[in-house]
Amino acid sequence: SAVISQKPSRDICQRGTSLTIQCQVDSQVTMMFWYRQQPGQSLTLIATANQGSEATYESGFVIDKFPISRPNLTFSTLTVSNMSPEDSSIYLCSVKGQGQNEKLFFGSGTQLSVL
Amino acid sequence: AQSVSQHNHHVILSEAASLELGCNYSYGGTVNLFWYVQYPGQHLQLLLKYFSGDPLVKGIKGFEAEFIKSKFSFNLRKPSVQWSDTAEYFCAVLGLNSGGYQKVTFGIGTKLQVIP
Repeated sequence: SAVISQKPSRDICQRGTSLTIQCQVDSQVTMMFWYRQQPGQSLTLIATANQGSEATYESGFVIDKFPISRPNLTFSTLTVSNMSPEDSSIYLCSVKGQGQNEKLFFGSGTQLSVL
Repeated sequence: AQSVSQHNHHVILSEAASLELGCNYSYGGTVNLFWYVQYPGQHLQLLLKYFSGDPLVKGIKGFEAEFIKSKFSFNLRKPSVQWSDTAEYFCAVLGLNSGGYQKVTFGIGTKLQVIP
């Protein structure tokens, strides 16, 4: 299993500012994922963060808006840049366990509200 | 591209009623399917998963799901729900993204409310 610590747990930000969300895992993992869950919508994958390479972004998400760092196998950050009210959402860090048949583990999420 | 459809967005049941939550997926490769549950105020956690073998999968807390390949479905069932089953349930499929990396795609979720 993996224990994921995500912070901040919630924040209220002004339009035009940026927020960096941190994700710390208690074990080394190859793949880390960042999801967004907007009100009334499904979890949507933003990007896959792999250590030692550029993050892979899903359609509709770009690096300038959501830069990601992955300095080592236990840590990643997601920055929400130049925020607008439409970025208000829950942001979730997730890791995939080791082995072929492992599952996803999730952090507790960051509840972001943009005024 | 992979996708997941959950047909019931909000379900209200009385205790002891039977539950079936629909999930249909779209993915061209080998299918790996999951149901995740999020209890109020808690993390998402795995309820059950299907990778191969017996298409009827049993999970925690009396839940089961049946993979029907011909229908592209993976419906979640429980014969008798309890008040503690009140939660949001997400169906998900594991596939590959355009970069060749694994990715999990989630359905929109179904909020289940069980009335005592």
